[in-house]
Amino acid sequence: KQEVTQIPAALSVPEGENLVLNCSFTDSAIYNLQWFRQDPGKGLTSLLLIQSSQREQTSGRLNASLDKSSGRSTLYIAASQPGDSATYLCAVNSGSARQLTFGSGTQLTVLP
Amino acid sequence: ETGVTQTPRHLVMGMTNKKSLKCEQHLGHNAMYWYKQSAKKPLELMFVYNFKEQTENNSVPSRFSPECPNSSHLFLHLHTLQPEDSALYLCASSQAYNSPLHFGNGTRLTVT
Repeated sequence: KQEVTQIPAALSVPEGENLVLNCSFTDSAIYNLQWFRQDPGKGLTSLLLIQSSQREQTSGRLNASLDKSSGRSTLYIAASQPGDSATYLCAVNSGSARQLTFGSGTQLTVLP
Repeated sequence: ETGVTQTPRHLVMGMTNKKSLKCEQHLGHNAMYWYKQSAKKPLELMFVYNFKEQTENNSVPSRFSPECPNSSHLFLHLHTLQPEDSALYLCASSQAYNSPLHFGNGTRLTVT
């Protein structure tokens, strides 16, 4: 059974810092990995999707990497802004049913 | 506008009530999903519909009954719920299994 872990559970940084969020998964036989952002009381917004054949994806100040063999992904946020404050969720698509398994998320606070 | 619309945004119901959650997607996607998000727990997949056919039911109690009349609409019928069913219920859609998921803003359900 796939298990996804995100560390740390919460992170607080001053504005302007570069930061890295971590995601690890137990079964490396994945189809893809997706990073989401969730604002309080809202649904999830897809940020980046990395297919199993890819090593990284970039969108603006965000860069996500994937190392399937070690079961890890990182989300790098450059020059953080207060508007980046949210919960960031990692989800892995795996298994015969191709289901997404979510981590518990990292709650990020960027202080002005 | 997320492309996936859920109604109502908030719902309070007694344990003997019957209510329905509605989800509509305007993205032309073929797959639709119901997820449950409880406090301090990862998102849990409840149901998956692909081309209007239910393909997954993740051991969800029968007091939750999904309905997918067409590829754009998804319902979750609720009856005789328990207080522990209080959670944020999220609907999502995708073009295919390997495609990014698009989420609605959810229905915040409180069972009294």
